Amino acid sequence: SQTIHQWPATLVQPVGSPLSLECTVEGTSNPNLYWYRQAAGRGLQLLFYSVGIGQISSEVPQNLSASRPQDRQFILSSKKLLLSDSGFYLCACLRDRWNEQFFGPGTRLTVL
Amino acid sequence: AQTVTQSQPEMSVQEAETVTLSCTYDTSESDYYLFWYKQPPSRQMILVIRQEAYKQQNATENRFSVNFQKAAKSFSLKISDSQLGDAAMYFCAYRGLTGANSKLTFGKGITLSVRP
Repeated sequence: SQTIHQWPATLVQPVGSPLSLECTVEGTSNPNLYWYRQAAGRGLQLLFYSVGIGQISSEVPQNLSASRPQDRQFILSSKKLLLSDSGFYLCACLRDRWNEQFFGPGTRLTVL
Repeated sequence: AQTVTQSQPEMSVQEAETVTLSCTYDTSESDYYLFWYKQPPSRQMILVIRQEAYKQQNATENRFSVNFQKAAKSFSLKISDSQLGDAAMYFCAYRGLTGANSKLTFGKGITLSVRP
């Protein structure tokens, strides 16, 4: 069965500092991977998705970037964080058998 | 572009009673998938139920069932015999079949509280 790991679980960073959030997937190969952000009390906004190594598609212009250096690794980055980057970040993969997206435990990011 | 609307921000239900959460969507596609996800306080997103648009029969999963009205583009979730553990935020989501990205479009969610 598929498992998604995300770290760190929580992070507090000052404005202007860099960011690196990591997502790794087990139990599948060549998955479609997704990064979502959830603002406090709101729905999920798709930030990036990837259908393979080195293939990244961005959904919205923003201060963030994503990379996929390995088949089952998806990284969300920023060179300089903004206050508006605070939120809950979820990584997901497509579970083909059920045509559903399976989510990781998330990372809570607070930018001060 | 597809949109998903959950117009009720909050709902409350008495334990053991039944509650229905509403969702409408807009799409020009004829085939697609619809989902309900649950997000408890832990914030882990958990799939509750899914419906394929080409299937006329409403999906059911134990105490959870949907009322899928394709013509009306409505996809409501019914929770029977509500339990305290059902208290969570619930999101309706849409996924089309065109394109390789399989993106999910989410509604804004509804917070469900269960009264003991």
